[in-house]
Amino acid sequence: GQSLEQPSEVTAVEGAIVQINCTYQTSGFYGLSWYQQHDGGAPTFLSYNALDGLEETGRFSSFLSRSDSYGYLLLQELQMKDSASYFCAVRDPGGGATNKLIFGTGTLLAVQP
Amino acid sequence: GAVVSQHPSWVICKSGTSVKIECRSLDFQATTMFWYRQFPKQSLMLMATSNEGSKATYEQGVEKDKFLINHASLTLSTLTVTSAHPEDSSFYICSARAPRTTGELFFGEGSRLTVL
Repeated sequence: GQSLEQPSEVTAVEGAIVQINCTYQTSGFYGLSWYQQHDGGAPTFLSYNALDGLEETGRFSSFLSRSDSYGYLLLQELQMKDSASYFCAVRDPGGGATNKLIFGTGTLLAVQP
Repeated sequence: GAVVSQHPSWVICKSGTSVKIECRSLDFQATTMFWYRQFPKQSLMLMATSNEGSKATYEQGVEKDKFLINHASLTLSTLTVTSAHPEDSSFYICSARAPRTTGELFFGEGSRLTVL
């Protein structure tokens, strides 16, 4: 089976930088994705890493190390609106053509003024 | 980005009744849709994969006779919670993968079910 572990909660202040880690155990690997979910809302896609290294998209960056089965999401210049839950996710290799997505335990980020 | 719409956004029903939730892809065709369930402060748990024109594929531990999934067209999948009980109260979210994208999932707004 697949398992993805994240810290349950992270707190930071506006303007700061925060890193949310994700360690995974999978029987196969097809890339690591990150999603943001505000309370009561739908998850929205943030980033995807198929290869090792850093992917940058504005204030958000995502890093992957396949040899360490580890990735992280980096949020810079934090804003109050970044307060949300963040999930890493991997494709289930057993999903075949459907490529179903398995989500991590989730990290609740609280940004304080 | 691609749009997935879900209806109703919230529903309250009595124990023992059935509830249907619709998921539509508005600007693309989806041969496959995914249904997730999320309890408060928990992660998204995949319930089943909805396949257009064929039977859904259920995850281990999900009762297929209780959570009926129908994917009758390329833009519509429905989830029916049959004989609902209070423990079925949850946030149900559908998703689909749009063609010609990097493969990310687009999610519906979610449906919050409360069974009294």
